[in-house]
Amino acid sequence: EIVLTQSPATLSVSPGERAILSCRASQTVGSDLAWYQQKPGQAPRLLIHHAFIRATGIPARFSGSGSGTEFTLTISSLQSEDFAVYHCQQSDKWPFTFGPGTKVDIK
Amino acid sequence: QEQLVESGGGVVQPGGSLRLSCAASGFPFSDHAMHWVRQAPHKGLECVAVVSDHGSDKHYADSVKGRFTVSRNNSVNTLFLMMNSLTSDDTAVYYCAKEASYGPSFVLWGQGTLVTVSS
Repeated sequence: EIVLTQSPATLSVSPGERAILSCRASQTVGSDLAWYQQKPGQAPRLLIHHAFIRATGIPARFSGSGSGTEFTLTISSLQSEDFAVYHCQQSDKWPFTFGPGTKVDIK
Repeated sequence: QEQLVESGGGVVQPGGSLRLSCAASGFPFSDHAMHWVRQAPHKGLECVAVVSDHGSDKHYADSVKGRFTVSRNNSVNTLFLMMNSLTSDDTAVYYCAKEASYGPSFVLWGQGTLVTVSS
């Protein structure tokens, strides 16, 4: 099973600042990496698929990069609605696996 | 409007069984593979099972293999998860999720249904 590691576990950011979240895979997943946002009591929401493609309706302040084993999600200027937990997920090999999540909270 | 609505969760004793349902609407259900993803309290997300668009291909996480069965009825746009021999480790919110047409990302999620395994 491919293990995904996310860092940091918690990221404290002021509104308007940039946030950079990392996801590392235990073996290469090519570009089969997605990012999701999850708020308390809600289901996850797809932000990025295939490492860098924004899902429909996702604001341009969200961007993804990377390939192979190292991936990054960047939120260019944090808005109040962006404070949430972010999960990465690989779909290169079954079982598809998620990282443990990075919580972005208000500094 | 595309929508997934799960039902069937509840409290069940260890060793018991439960069947979850996921009703889909607003999109061509039979065109998409469908997944069950669970999230234990204050834990991460786990892909539990996937079924192909026409139901012929299924895969399971090792943690549920032999105990859970995923199925679908495309004539009524519904996904199912039959869960047997439940243990406390199966306590979680269970989500159904639609796989995107461009690849296995989860583009639509239900609201989730809580399964609690407790005596």
